[in-house]
Order: sequence, then structure tokens, then C-alpha cells
Amino acid sequence: DTEVTQTPKHLVMGMTNKKSLKCEQHMGHRAMYWYKQKAKKPPELMFVYSYEKLSINESVPSRFSPECPNSSLLNLHLHALQPEDSALYLCASSQVSSTDTQYFGPGTRLTVL
Amino acid sequence: GNSVTQMEGPVTLSEEAFLTINCTYTATGYPSLFWYVQYPGEGLQLLLKATKADDKGSNKGFEATYRKETTSFHLEKGSVQVSDSAVYFCALSDNTGNQFYFGTGTSLTVIP
Repeated sequence: DTEVTQTPKHLVMGMTNKKSLKCEQHMGHRAMYWYKQKAKKPPELMFVYSYEKLSINESVPSRFSPECPNSSLLNLHLHALQPEDSALYLCASSQVSSTDTQYFGPGTRLTVL
Repeated sequence: GNSVTQMEGPVTLSEEAFLTINCTYTATGYPSLFWYVQYPGEGLQLLLKATKADDKGSNKGFEATYRKETTSFHLEKGSVQVSDSAVYFCALSDNTGNQFYFGTGTSLTVIP
């Protein structure tokens, strides 16, 4: 099973709302990732968790707050977002080896009004 | 530093035409190379990969060979179908950390 699941599939929120994106994998992977993808662009790395610890934060604004409660789950907490944060948010996972394949979820389409 | 340069699109082909999407890379060490495909409204799916020089990755009729001498990993398919219409991303994973380096993506449209 090489499936990464993400919920919700679509999310519309106002700039004052607080919401969370969820990601889950059961492949035993110990590295998990959040990416942001704008239309017609490649994914941009936001965060990397390795063994449930944040290992990479690509200078992401504090209105995005990641959380890794256990080795199978990854959350992205959203607060006070801006309209320019509207994008497809992708979660991925891999073995903890820099050359291993990353498996992506289907993404959450976020619209900030 | 590490980077991936990918053929500019969009690419439009007729069904059963031959497809080549060029990808070249710059990397330190011995990276792994990947092609991902993204269908409209979906996430990225691994299409194929190669982990060392001269390896050939293949899947669903697509092929790519890891060429260290030319630092390339071009994607090819002998006969495209309408269902192959998607955006294709070349990517590199180096051996220094959990980072992927993506190319800019190439949009492919196959017309009947």
C-alpha cells in the first residue's frame, strides 16, 4: 500500500478562521512533508518532519503551524491566512533516506476569502 | 547547488505520436532521479525512478535513462494516448537531506 491520504479535499476559509489540514500514511515512513503548489508551478517545500521532529522549515510564515502527533499523522494548522495563501497543499512521505521516493497525497485545495 | 532544468511546455501531440520531455540536472554526489505525473485536480504520482547511472526506469510505456555523462534523465514514450495528458515533473533527490528538487513541470496535451 503506497497511499497517503489527506483531508479535507477542499477547504474554503476566511482570513480570521482557524482550520487544520490532515495527512495520514501507513507505510511505516518516518519522514513526512508539507508542500504548497500554486497553479502551473512545481510544489514548494514548506516543512519536513523526520522521526516526528521538525527538521526543515523553509522560512514559512508563522500563520502556518505544522504538527506531527505520531509517525503516521501530520497536521498543518492554519490561522489568519491571506488570499495569496490559496493553493493546493500536498502532503508526502518517504523512508528516512534522502534518496528515497516521496509518495504524495491527493492534496487539499485551499481557498482563502 | 542542486537543480533540475526541464523542457518548457506546453507540449501538444496527436495520439500515437512519440513523446520526449527533456530533463537535465545539476547535483553534488550521486542523486536519485524521478519523474512524477500530475493529472488535473490531483496530487503527484510517481511515474518512474532511477537511483544510479545507466539505470532505466520504466512504467506504463514511459522510459527514462539516468545518464551521468550528460546529466540527463529524459522522459520518452513511443505512442502517447489521450489519457497521458497531464503535467510531468522531473525531480532529483540528493544524498544530503530529505529534499526534492523539482523541475518547472511540462504540460502535455494529447489530442485524438
